[in-house]
Amino acid sequence: GDSVTQMEGPVTLSEEAFLTINCTYTATGYPSLFWYVQYPGEGLQLLLKATKADDKGSNKGFEATYRKETTSFHLEKGSVQVSDSAVYFCALSHLGGYNKLIFGAGTRLAVHP
Amino acid sequence: NAGVMQNPRHLVRRRGQEARLRCSPMKGHSHVYWYRQLPEEGLKFMVYLQKENIIDESGMPKERFSAEFPKEGPSILRIQQVVRGDSAAYFCASSPEASDTQYFGPGTRLTVL
Repeated sequence: GDSVTQMEGPVTLSEEAFLTINCTYTATGYPSLFWYVQYPGEGLQLLLKATKADDKGSNKGFEATYRKETTSFHLEKGSVQVSDSAVYFCALSHLGGYNKLIFGAGTRLAVHP
Repeated sequence: NAGVMQNPRHLVRRRGQEARLRCSPMKGHSHVYWYRQLPEEGLKFMVYLQKENIIDESGMPKERFSAEFPKEGPSILRIQQVVRGDSAAYFCASSPEASDTQYFGPGTRLTVL
């Protein structure tokens, strides 16, 4: 079945450092790919998405490119802030699968001043 | 435009009691998804409903769990005879028809004593 694998955390960075969180997927066909962010005690917020190969999703300085050849959707940000500290989830969905989201285990990011 | 609403935010039950979780989707959204997040894990799909219909319940445990989304009122996730392993955060998400973007509520954190 479909699955998503994320790099294990926690990831600890200093403010203004470069961030990469790896995400790879296994899926039939052409899923849509997502990054969601969860701040402590809150629900998930959609960060960005891409719906077809080579699409780049971007938001709030974060970006990720849908790479079908490597089945990857790595999240990057050039300069992180303390306020980016959260748990980041990579996910996929299929329109034919009723769009239910299949999530990775999540990666906790801690940014310190 | 109010977001997805869930209540209660926190629910404590003793083993054997019933838990009833409510989800009001965003205005104009007729699709509701329920997910469960166990401690330190990613979210797992449970059930997908449209108004008055269960479309996909492949992630729902076969016993003790049920869900509904009536014509009027919120979607309800019901857990009968709760056990300690049911302790988790339960999130609902809604989407408008024919869209692959889901909007999440803040979650209900269920604790079973």
